[in-house]
Amino acid sequence: SQTIHQWPATLVQPVGSPLSLECTVEGTSNPNLYWYRQAAGRGLQLLFYSVGIGQISSEVPQNLSASRPQDRQFILSSKKLLLSDSGFYLCAWSGGNEQFFGPGTRLTVL
Amino acid sequence: AQSVTQLGSHVSVSEGALVLLRCNYSSSVPPYLFWYVQYPNQGLQLLLKYTSAATLVKGINGFEAEFKKSETSFHLTKPSAHMSDAAEYFCAVSDLGNYQLIWGAGTKLIIKP
Repeated sequence: SQTIHQWPATLVQPVGSPLSLECTVEGTSNPNLYWYRQAAGRGLQLLFYSVGIGQISSEVPQNLSASRPQDRQFILSSKKLLLSDSGFYLCAWSGGNEQFFGPGTRLTVL
Repeated sequence: AQSVTQLGSHVSVSEGALVLLRCNYSSSVPPYLFWYVQYPNQGLQLLLKYTSAATLVKGINGFEAEFKKSETSFHLTKPSAHMSDAAEYFCAVSDLGNYQLIWGAGTKLIIKP
């Protein structure tokens, strides 16, 4: 069966520090991968999606970036965090139409 | 462009009462439709999905949803609410062959004892 992992689960970072969140999927090949953010009191915002290694589409211009160095690995990064980057970050994968989500990372930027 | 509307950011029902969460989509072509549930500080979990096989779709935890093309609706129901149903519920739609989902804003379900 397929599983999706995200780490870390919780992260507290100062403004201006770098960020790296990792997502890995097991049990499937060539999945579509997605990064979402949920800010407090707001819905799901699609940040990036990828249909293959090295193929990244950005949905919202910001100081975040994403990379897909391996088929089942998706990384969300920032060189300098802003206060507005705080939120709950979710990684998801799909092999068809439905998406399957990881447990999420709670990021607090102070 | 596709859009999804969930009526009511918060819905409050008593334990044992009927749960009705509303979702309307904008497409004229029947898409794939989904309901997801999110418990606090967790990822989203697929509750049920409509893929044109049957208009009444049964999901996990006693939930079901009915696809009504004439009303472009896909409302989620459960006959009797449990305290454990307290969570946020998201409706989503995708076009055929499009691997992105269009999400509703979510409805927080509150269960009163």
